[in-house]
Amino acid sequence: EAQVTQNPRYLITVTGKKLTVTCSQNMNHEYMSWYRQDPGLGLRQIYYSMNVEVTDKGDVPEGYKVSRKEKRNFPLILESPSPNQTSLYFCASSSRTGYNYEQYFGPGTRLTVT
Amino acid sequence: QKEVEQDPGPLSVPEGAIVSLNCTYSNSAFQYFMWYRQYSRKGPELLMYTYSSGNKEDGRFTAQVDKSSKYISLFIRDSQPSDSATYLCAMSERSSGTYKYIFGTGTRLKVLA
Repeated sequence: EAQVTQNPRYLITVTGKKLTVTCSQNMNHEYMSWYRQDPGLGLRQIYYSMNVEVTDKGDVPEGYKVSRKEKRNFPLILESPSPNQTSLYFCASSSRTGYNYEQYFGPGTRLTVT
Repeated sequence: QKEVEQDPGPLSVPEGAIVSLNCTYSNSAFQYFMWYRQYSRKGPELLMYTYSSGNKEDGRFTAQVDKSSKYISLFIRDSQPSDSATYLCAMSERSSGTYKYIFGTGTRLKVLA
């Protein structure tokens, strides 16, 4: 089954404790992206990657890091989480070929930073 | 001013009604326009996408883009309770290697049986 998986699905942590949210896709997609979703602000893009070792900032990259060492994986790293990073996070992937702009989204990771 | 504006709703309609959802935007470089549906506690899923101006129809759904007015719409005909969800518009430039997406805040729709 074609899918994007994220782990963990729920995470409660404390300020300053480094964490990683994993994202993996099994569709051989070149493009992957991370979003955060907040009430009243909608989905905002954090980082995206157009292929292995190629990443770029989205609209809200501050406080986040990403890496793309393998095509299927795109982890999101919060080196020193703060309460304002409490949010619902989504990973997405899509193929860059042709006019297929469908992004497949993962199930989401709800992060709470206290 | 946000690059993309979308009325958050909620919008409640009776079953069978025609629903109109809209977004306005300010960036004239946007070329690709998408509508996503998001059920509660789920990730968004793509409903429709269009390139540049024009209409696109898929079953009960019609997407319209008016680039001159910087306005996009999604129409749902014969709405069903299963259409109850949050609808997000999204836009992208996709030029010069840019793959940034800008989403609206979403409109929550409730279709009453």
